[in-house]
Amino acid sequence: QKEVEQNSGPLSVPEGAIASLNCTYSDRVSQSFFWYRQYSGKSPELIMSIYSNGDKEDGRFTAQLNKASQYVSLLIRDSQPSDSATYLCAVNNTGNQFYFGTGTSLTVIP
Amino acid sequence: DAMVIQNPRYQVTQFGKPVTLSCSQTLNHNVMYWYQQKSSQAPKLLFHYYDKDFNNEADTPDNFQSRRPNTSFCFLDIRSPGLGDAAMYLCATSSHGTGEKLFFGSGTQLSVL
Repeated sequence: QKEVEQNSGPLSVPEGAIASLNCTYSDRVSQSFFWYRQYSGKSPELIMSIYSNGDKEDGRFTAQLNKASQYVSLLIRDSQPSDSATYLCAVNNTGNQFYFGTGTSLTVIP
Repeated sequence: DAMVIQNPRYQVTQFGKPVTLSCSQTLNHNVMYWYQQKSSQAPKLLFHYYDKDFNNEADTPDNFQSRRPNTSFCFLDIRSPGLGDAAMYLCATSSHGTGEKLFFGSGTQLSVL
């Protein structure tokens, strides 16, 4: 399967801080990029999608995409304990396949 | 609400005993997926259907089969489960086209005794 790489962490940040999550992908034809949040024992839920180079902001979340570097990131501002979860990076190619990274475990410390 | 429904939430089977997991959707999406996710690992794409067109990933074992009798339903058949097949199985849907998002069901946690 196409490679999607993430730092598995764990990443710990204090409440109110910025959490920074990174992802690289190997398939240059990838078109669409997603961040999913997964709580333990639950299915992934979509947080952000991004399709063009640059930044995309949605509330406390900002996704950043650099296709030349094959790099996607997610910033979480004003981190809350409820943000503690595993964050999965997903990449979609020109077909229908979505490939996932192993996820980064985030803990927000009150 | 439109959604992706998986049944059962937990499934226990015996080593070598065939098992079927089910998925239904009310989103009317034309693509349905099965992922396998083991603890602390990435969801691994097993196969997907684009309408009735079946697409198998190259590294999906023959032990795993799938059926999609109509747009709404998709089944995952494990013909002879081994201990290594214990995992969360996630069904997901999307509409065909670049940029379309994946919508997940709640998953079925499979245990093999």
